[in-house]
Amino acid sequence: AQSVAQPEDQVNVAEGNPLTVKCTYSVSGNPYLFWYVQYPNRGLQFLLKYITGDNLVKGSYGFEAEFNKSQTSFHLKKPSALVSDSALYFCAVMRMNRDDKIIFGKGTRLHILP
Amino acid sequence: EAQVTQNPRYLITVTGKKLTVTCSQNMNHEYMSWYRQDPGLGLRQIYYSMNVEVTDKGDVPEGYKVSRKEKRNFPLILESPSPNQTSLYFCASSSTGVRNNEQFFGPGTRLTVL
Repeated sequence: AQSVAQPEDQVNVAEGNPLTVKCTYSVSGNPYLFWYVQYPNRGLQFLLKYITGDNLVKGSYGFEAEFNKSQTSFHLKKPSALVSDSALYFCAVMRMNRDDKIIFGKGTRLHILP
Repeated sequence: EAQVTQNPRYLITVTGKKLTVTCSQNMNHEYMSWYRQDPGLGLRQIYYSMNVEVTDKGDVPEGYKVSRKEKRNFPLILESPSPNQTSLYFCASSSTGVRNNEQFFGPGTRLTVL
Protein backbone atom coordinates (compact mmCIF):
# COMPACT_ATOMS: atom_id res chain seq x y z
CA ALA A 1 0.00 0.00 0.00
CA GLN A 2 1.20 3.50 -0.68
CA SER A 3 1.78 6.04 2.08
CA VAL A 4 3.16 9.50 2.61
CA ALA A 5 4.94 10.89 5.65
CA GLN A 6 5.37 14.55 6.45
CA PRO A 7 7.53 14.37 9.57
CA GLU A 8 7.05 17.99 10.66
CA ASP A 9 3.67 19.25 11.82
CA GLN A 10 4.96 22.83 11.68
CA VAL A 11 7.93 24.63 10.16
CA ASN A 12 8.95 28.17 11.09
CA VAL A 13 11.16 30.18 8.75
CA ALA A 14 12.22 33.82 8.78
CA GLU A 15 11.17 35.86 5.77
CA GLY A 16 13.89 35.89 3.14
CA ASN A 17 15.44 32.62 4.30
CA PRO A 18 15.29 29.41 2.29
CA LEU A 19 12.57 26.96 3.28
CA THR A 20 12.22 23.20 3.08
CA VAL A 21 9.11 21.14 3.79
CA LYS A 22 9.90 17.45 4.02
CA CYS A 23 8.04 14.53 2.47
CA THR A 24 8.88 10.86 2.22
CA TYR A 25 6.79 8.23 0.50
CA SER A 26 6.30 4.51 0.24
CA VAL A 27 4.86 2.97 -2.89
CA SER A 28 5.36 -0.19 -4.89
CA GLY A 29 6.86 0.67 -8.23
CA ASN A 30 7.43 4.16 -9.53
CA PRO A 31 5.49 7.04 -8.02
CA TYR A 32 3.69 10.10 -9.14
CA LEU A 33 4.33 12.80 -6.53
CA PHE A 34 2.50 16.05 -5.85
CA TRP A 35 2.50 19.09 -3.62
CA TYR A 36 -0.68 21.02 -2.81
CA VAL A 37 -1.11 24.15 -0.70
CA GLN A 38 -4.05 25.34 1.39
CA TYR A 39 -4.06 29.03 2.22
CA PRO A 40 -6.09 30.18 5.26
CA ASN A 41 -9.84 30.03 4.63
CA ARG A 42 -9.31 28.95 1.05
CA GLY A 43 -9.45 25.70 -0.83
CA LEU A 44 -6.52 23.63 -1.92
CA GLN A 45 -4.35 24.54 -4.86
CA PHE A 46 -1.98 22.47 -6.95
CA LEU A 47 1.69 23.52 -6.66
CA LEU A 48 3.71 21.00 -8.64
CA LYS A 49 4.11 17.37 -9.61
CA TYR A 50 6.78 14.83 -10.46
CA ILE A 51 6.02 12.13 -13.01
CA THR A 52 9.30 11.32 -14.67
CA GLY A 53 12.42 12.99 -15.98
CA ASP A 54 14.38 15.75 -14.23
CA ASN A 55 14.53 15.19 -10.48
CA LEU A 56 14.09 18.91 -9.80
CA VAL A 57 10.57 20.04 -10.51
CA LYS A 58 9.56 23.70 -10.63
CA GLY A 59 6.08 24.82 -9.72
CA SER A 60 3.91 27.79 -8.88
CA TYR A 61 4.89 30.78 -6.72
CA GLY A 62 8.63 30.05 -6.98
CA PHE A 63 8.42 26.65 -5.32
CA GLU A 64 10.38 23.63 -6.43
CA ALA A 65 10.72 20.05 -5.24
CA GLU A 66 13.48 17.50 -5.53
CA PHE A 67 12.73 13.85 -6.18
CA ASN A 68 15.24 11.49 -4.57
CA LYS A 69 14.53 7.88 -5.44
CA SER A 70 17.15 6.35 -3.15
CA GLN A 71 15.81 8.25 -0.14
CA THR A 72 12.18 8.01 -1.31
CA SER A 73 11.80 11.71 -0.65
CA PHE A 74 10.16 14.65 -2.39
CA HIS A 75 11.01 17.72 -0.34
CA LEU A 76 9.47 21.09 -1.20
CA LYS A 77 11.83 24.05 -1.35
CA LYS A 78 11.93 27.75 -2.00
CA PRO A 79 15.09 29.88 -2.03
CA SER A 80 13.59 32.91 -0.30
CA ALA A 81 10.44 32.69 1.82
CA LEU A 82 7.66 35.27 1.78
CA VAL A 83 5.17 35.94 4.57
CA SER A 84 2.45 35.12 2.03
CA ASP A 85 3.84 31.56 1.79
CA SER A 86 2.39 30.85 5.24
CA ALA A 87 -0.08 28.02 4.65
CA LEU A 88 -0.73 24.31 5.07
CA TYR A 89 1.21 22.14 2.63
CA PHE A 90 0.28 18.61 1.58
CA CYS A 91 2.44 16.05 -0.17
CA ALA A 92 0.66 13.28 -2.12
CA VAL A 93 1.56 10.09 -3.99
CA MET A 94 0.00 7.87 -6.63
CA ARG A 95 1.23 4.61 -8.05
CA MET A 96 2.39 4.84 -11.65
CA ASN A 97 0.26 2.93 -14.13
CA ARG A 98 -2.14 1.69 -11.50
CA ASP A 99 -5.43 2.95 -10.19
CA ASP A 100 -6.18 6.62 -9.73
CA LYS A 101 -6.24 6.49 -5.96
CA ILE A 102 -4.20 9.31 -4.42
CA ILE A 103 -2.80 9.32 -0.88
CA PHE A 104 -2.07 12.59 0.91
CA GLY A 105 0.19 13.25 3.85
CA LYS A 106 -1.06 14.79 7.09
CA GLY A 107 0.14 18.23 6.11
CA THR A 108 2.82 20.62 7.35
CA ARG A 109 1.94 24.09 8.54
CA LEU A 110 4.47 26.61 7.33
CA HIS A 111 4.87 29.87 9.27
CA ILE A 112 6.97 32.58 7.69
CA LEU A 113 8.03 35.09 10.31
CA PRO A 114 8.37 38.73 9.25
CA GLU B 1 -15.56 31.43 -14.46
CA ALA B 2 -14.13 27.92 -14.28
CA GLN B 3 -14.93 26.49 -10.89
CA VAL B 4 -15.99 23.64 -8.67
CA THR B 5 -18.99 24.42 -6.50
CA GLN B 6 -20.23 22.60 -3.43
CA ASN B 7 -23.48 22.91 -1.54
CA PRO B 8 -24.15 23.41 1.23
CA ARG B 9 -21.05 25.11 2.57
CA TYR B 10 -22.03 24.43 6.16
CA LEU B 11 -24.34 21.76 7.52
CA ILE B 12 -25.28 20.67 11.02
CA THR B 13 -27.35 17.51 11.21
CA VAL B 14 -28.21 14.66 13.55
CA THR B 15 -27.13 11.04 13.57
CA GLY B 16 -28.97 8.89 11.07
CA LYS B 17 -30.55 11.63 8.98
CA LYS B 18 -29.66 11.05 5.34
CA LEU B 19 -27.93 13.92 3.60
CA THR B 20 -26.41 14.78 0.24
CA VAL B 21 -23.60 17.19 -0.49
CA THR B 22 -23.64 18.32 -4.08
CA CYS B 23 -20.60 18.99 -6.23
CA SER B 24 -20.63 20.50 -9.69
CA GLN B 25 -17.90 21.56 -12.11
CA ASN B 26 -18.21 23.63 -15.28
CA MET B 27 -14.91 22.66 -16.90
CA ASN B 28 -16.08 19.49 -18.67
CA HIS B 29 -13.66 17.48 -16.55
CA GLU B 30 -13.80 13.70 -16.67
CA TYR B 31 -12.25 13.06 -13.24
CA MET B 32 -13.94 14.03 -9.99
CA SER B 33 -13.14 13.11 -6.42
CA TRP B 34 -14.25 13.60 -2.82
CA TYR B 35 -11.94 14.13 0.16
CA ARG B 36 -12.33 14.70 3.84
CA GLN B 37 -9.92 16.78 5.90
CA ASP B 38 -9.45 16.13 9.59
CA PRO B 39 -6.91 17.67 12.01
CA GLY B 40 -3.89 15.43 12.39
CA LEU B 41 -5.06 13.12 9.60
CA GLY B 42 -4.66 15.43 6.66
CA LEU B 43 -6.61 14.86 3.49
CA ARG B 44 -8.09 11.45 2.72
CA GLN B 45 -9.75 10.37 -0.50
CA ILE B 46 -13.27 8.97 -0.13
CA TYR B 47 -14.34 8.14 -3.69
CA TYR B 48 -13.30 9.13 -7.17
CA SER B 49 -14.79 8.90 -10.64
CA MET B 50 -12.92 8.66 -13.91
CA ASN B 51 -16.03 9.38 -15.97
CA VAL B 52 -19.80 9.08 -16.10
CA GLU B 53 -21.04 5.86 -14.46
CA VAL B 54 -17.50 4.96 -13.32
CA THR B 55 -16.73 5.29 -9.62
CA ASP B 56 -14.04 3.75 -7.41
CA LYS B 57 -13.26 3.65 -3.72
CA GLY B 58 -10.58 5.84 -2.27
CA ASP B 59 -8.90 5.37 1.06
CA VAL B 60 -11.92 5.86 3.34
CA PRO B 61 -15.15 4.96 1.51
CA GLU B 62 -17.02 3.39 4.44
CA GLY B 63 -20.27 5.18 5.27
CA TYR B 64 -20.39 7.10 1.99
CA LYS B 65 -21.99 6.67 -1.42
CA VAL B 66 -21.48 8.54 -4.65
CA SER B 67 -23.02 8.61 -8.09
CA ARG B 68 -21.91 10.01 -11.42
CA LYS B 69 -24.92 10.18 -13.70
CA GLU B 70 -23.79 13.35 -15.42
CA LYS B 71 -20.30 14.54 -16.20
CA ARG B 72 -20.61 17.80 -14.30
CA ASN B 73 -22.11 16.46 -11.03
CA PHE B 74 -20.69 14.16 -8.38
CA PRO B 75 -22.86 14.15 -5.24
CA LEU B 76 -21.68 12.65 -1.96
CA ILE B 77 -24.37 10.79 -0.04
CA LEU B 78 -24.33 9.91 3.64
CA GLU B 79 -27.19 7.47 4.11
CA SER B 80 -26.91 7.32 7.91
CA PRO B 81 -24.44 9.93 9.14
CA SER B 82 -22.56 9.35 12.37
CA PRO B 83 -20.55 11.76 14.55
CA ASN B 84 -17.27 10.35 13.22
CA GLN B 85 -18.21 11.77 9.83
CA THR B 86 -17.99 15.28 11.21
CA SER B 87 -15.35 16.78 8.96
CA LEU B 88 -14.44 19.27 6.26
CA TYR B 89 -15.24 17.85 2.84
CA PHE B 90 -13.70 18.85 -0.46
CA CYS B 91 -14.77 17.99 -3.98
CA ALA B 92 -12.22 18.22 -6.78
CA SER B 93 -12.08 17.75 -10.52
CA SER B 94 -9.38 17.20 -13.09
CA SER B 95 -9.37 17.10 -16.85
CA THR B 96 -8.51 13.46 -17.48
CA GLY B 97 -7.14 12.31 -14.15
CA VAL B 98 -4.79 13.40 -11.43
CA ARG B 99 -1.68 11.87 -12.99
CA ASN B 100 -1.37 14.31 -15.83
CA ASN B 101 -3.57 17.20 -14.84
CA GLU B 102 -3.89 19.31 -11.76
CA GLN B 103 -6.93 18.99 -9.54
CA PHE B 104 -9.21 21.96 -8.97
CA PHE B 105 -10.83 21.98 -5.56
CA GLY B 106 -14.15 23.30 -4.39
CA PRO B 107 -14.46 25.66 -1.42
CA GLY B 108 -15.29 22.91 1.06
CA THR B 109 -18.31 21.81 3.07
CA ARG B 110 -18.07 21.80 6.83
CA LEU B 111 -20.30 19.03 8.17
CA THR B 112 -21.19 18.51 11.83
CA VAL B 113 -23.09 15.39 12.84
CA LEU B 114 -24.57 15.56 16.34
